[in-house]
Amino acid sequence: QLQESGPGLVKPAQTLSLTCSVSGVSITAAGHYWSWVRQFAGKGLEWVGYIFYSGATYYNPSVQGRAFVSRDTSQNQVSLELTSLTAADSAVYFCVGGFRIVDTWGQGMLVTVSS
Amino acid sequence: AIQVTQSPSSLSASVGDRVTMTCRTSQDVRNALFWCRQKPGKPPQLLIFDVSRLRSGVPSRFSGGRSGADFILTINSVQPEDVGTYYCVQNLNFPVTFGQGTKLDLK
Repeated sequence: QLQESGPGLVKPAQTLSLTCSVSGVSITAAGHYWSWVRQFAGKGLEWVGYIFYSGATYYNPSVQGRAFVSRDTSQNQVSLELTSLTAADSAVYFCVGGFRIVDTWGQGMLVTVSS
Repeated sequence: AIQVTQSPSSLSASVGDRVTMTCRTSQDVRNALFWCRQKPGKPPQLLIFDVSRLRSGVPSRFSGGRSGADFILTINSVQPEDVGTYYCVQNLNFPVTFGQGTKLDLK
């Protein structure tokens, strides 16, 4: 299971920090991906980035330079930091993981960027 | 990035109908194509991976296939619980990209 946590409201230009607590499987299990996907109000889905079980990361060019995915193996958690926020970053953020990159989804966290 | 285009954007069916929806990618993604369904107020859930392989627990009325450049999701005998928005997803190349969805509702 995956559970997102973090602030629901952040101000423009600030940094968003979200955490995904993973249970039932180790985030270092071979071949597993741990991604962040966001869904905009119009329902479109955008993959933000992932951290692989090895620790390797990859980011969508649409957020390149602003997104940073990290992990805490002792807590079995994955985190997302997204900097320089604008209103366009308002979305539901999902933690998504598994051997197949879209295997399991968290419930999602609504994030609104507004002053 | 690989573009993913779904059609139709919405469809309406009666219980028991057979429905199909299509996904086309801007370049060949080989077998790296998933189908997910999102029910209202819920996160998406994986239904089919590798074009045609059903995830454990997914009813056999669902099937996936390919015809040329088109990937096809078929639901034989639609049930009320099948209502939702269906997304196809490619992961041949990063970034992973999603179609815009096909919304299925009941007549």
